[in-house]
Amino acid sequence: DQQVKQNSPSLSVQEGRISILNCDYTNSMFDYFLWYKKYPAEGPTFLISISSIKDKNEDGRFTVFLNKSAKHLSLHIVPSQPGDSAVYFCAASGVGGTSYGKLTFGQGTILTVHP
Amino acid sequence: KAGVTQTPRYLIKTRGQQVTLSCSPISGHRSVSWYQQTPGQGLQFLFEYFSETQRNKGNFPGRFSGRQFSNSRSEMNVSTLELGDSALYLCASSLEGPSAGELFFGEGSRLTVL
Repeated sequence: DQQVKQNSPSLSVQEGRISILNCDYTNSMFDYFLWYKKYPAEGPTFLISISSIKDKNEDGRFTVFLNKSAKHLSLHIVPSQPGDSAVYFCAASGVGGTSYGKLTFGQGTILTVHP
Repeated sequence: KAGVTQTPRYLIKTRGQQVTLSCSPISGHRSVSWYQQTPGQGLQFLFEYFSETQRNKGNFPGRFSGRQFSNSRSEMNVSTLELGDSALYLCASSLEGPSAGELFFGEGSRLTVL
């Protein structure tokens, strides 16, 4: 069962516009959510995170929104830049022993930002 | 500060062989996790080690094993390789915490099984 889902395999955006990447989860025990960015032949790089006690977290051009009742989170990138083109993974974690070191990842969304 | 270092970066094995992959975490990080990335299954958690003890394990067969040394360096081993084990194996390190928190990933070891 896929506990974290990214339903859009790809997203294409014009430079300067907003990119919105979406993620849904099913496990109500998840309480910490992260977004990672991955370039080809590299490991994932941490982008931004949000705890379940918050509904929004901003870091520069990146903002993550969390809707716990809908079990949905989204990543907004404003303005989008060609260098943002990469695969974006949503990930979730619980608390406690079974969560040590364990992130549950979505399948990823390929973002392409056109100049 | 040096990042997570994984060796080897690429390797080719044949079915039935075994392989050992190595990971050096970021200095000061005591938790090391391993993940398998395949096109079909995405990123899947293998196991996590802290202070030389396995604290958490994913749903992989016993052919997949690992260990951590006193300097926090970690190795994972896959025995009796199968074609389906071809994947990118990623190591990640992190500070101790109640949850996985922010993981710092290495560039991975690309294993091809022929």
